[in-house]
Amino acid sequence: SAVISQKPSRDICQRGTSLTIQCQVDSQVTMMFWYRQQPGQSLTLIATANQGSEATYESGFVIDKFPISRPNLTFSTLTVSNMSPEDSSIYLCSAVTGDGNTIYFGEGSWLTVV
Amino acid sequence: RKEVEQDPGPFNVPEGATVAFNCTYSNSASQSFFWYRQDCRKEPKLLMSVYSSGNEDGRFTAQLNRASQYISLLIRDSKLSDSATYLCVVNRDSGYALNFGKGTSLLVTP
Repeated sequence: SAVISQKPSRDICQRGTSLTIQCQVDSQVTMMFWYRQQPGQSLTLIATANQGSEATYESGFVIDKFPISRPNLTFSTLTVSNMSPEDSSIYLCSAVTGDGNTIYFGEGSWLTVV
Repeated sequence: RKEVEQDPGPFNVPEGATVAFNCTYSNSASQSFFWYRQDCRKEPKLLMSVYSSGNEDGRFTAQLNRASQYISLLIRDSKLSDSATYLCVVNRDSGYALNFGKGTSLLVTP
């Protein structure tokens, strides 16, 4: 099994600022992902965090707005840049264990932009 | 067309009732199917995987129809603690990235 810790768990930020969310897994995982869940919407994949290389972004998401790092197998960060109220959302880190059988989620980072 | 579609509900049922949720998906290349449960202001948690032959876990039964690209979840003998949002989840092509439905809200009442 794997335990995923996300920081911060929640934050209220001023528009125009940036926030970096950290995701730490307690065991080595093969793949890590970042999702977003806007109010009343489904979880949507932002990007796949690739170790040691640029993340793979989904349609509608760009690196300038959501820079992602993954320096090693167990840690990743997502930055929400130049925030606007539309970025108010839950941001979830997800990881797949080495056996590929289970997908785990962090507890989420609740972001409110005012 | 959305990748995964679910009836949003809400479903309000009395304790002990049987309730069924349905889901359709659009990507015929998807290989893995799940039901997740999400409680209010919490992260999604895996309820059960869904296999082609259908599978059961206690009061929960999941069915998959690949030809119709249809997934179902049946909850028998509903408990108050079953109140949550149930997410139909399908993998994207053959990888581990996931497409989520918007969820079906269930409220079990005394």
